Amino acid sequence: EAQVTQNPRYLITVTGKKLTVTCSQNMNHEYMSWYRQDPGLGLRQIYYSMNVEVTDKGDVPEGYKVSRKEKRNFPLILESPSPNQTSLYFCASSSYRGDTQYFGPGTRLTVL
Amino acid sequence: GENVEQHPSTLSVQEGDSAVIKCTYSDSASNYFPWYKQELGKRPQLIIDIRSNVGEKKDQRIAVTLNKTAKHFSLHITETQPEDSAVYFCAASNIQGAQKLVFGQGTRLTINP
Repeated sequence: EAQVTQNPRYLITVTGKKLTVTCSQNMNHEYMSWYRQDPGLGLRQIYYSMNVEVTDKGDVPEGYKVSRKEKRNFPLILESPSPNQTSLYFCASSSYRGDTQYFGPGTRLTVL
Repeated sequence: GENVEQHPSTLSVQEGDSAVIKCTYSDSASNYFPWYKQELGKRPQLIIDIRSNVGEKKDQRIAVTLNKTAKHFSLHITETQPEDSAVYFCAASNIQGAQKLVFGQGTRLTINP
């Protein structure tokens, strides 16, 4: 089954404790991206990747890192999380930039 | 860059009535316009899309219309049902130009029984 998976689905952590949210897709998509969703602000892109080893900042990249060592995986790293990063995070993939995005199930992160 | 405005932010309709959500975009080069539905606690999922070589597309009770001259596109849902209650997002991109998909702010649609 074609899908995008994310782990964990829920995470409660404390300020400053490094965390990684994993994302994996099995559709051989070249383009992957991370979004955060906050009430009233819609979907905001954090980082994206056009292909392996090619990543770039989206609209709200501060406080986040990503890597793309394999085509299928695109982890999101928060080196020192802060309470303002409490949000719902979605990973998405598509065949190429601008095409239909397929979203993962979401990760609800709470930073205390 | 592209900017997408979506209206209204909330919409409440009686079951069986029609619902219309409108979006405007700024970049005349945009040529791909998908609509996503996000049910409570779920991921956004594509429900219909339109490309700039057509003016209207239908899929059962949902339809999307595109006016490239005015740079706006709309989602129409007819004979609404309770399961249509969700947040709907429009988006726009220039696929050939490899421009990213830009989302509207979303519309929370509530269907009242």
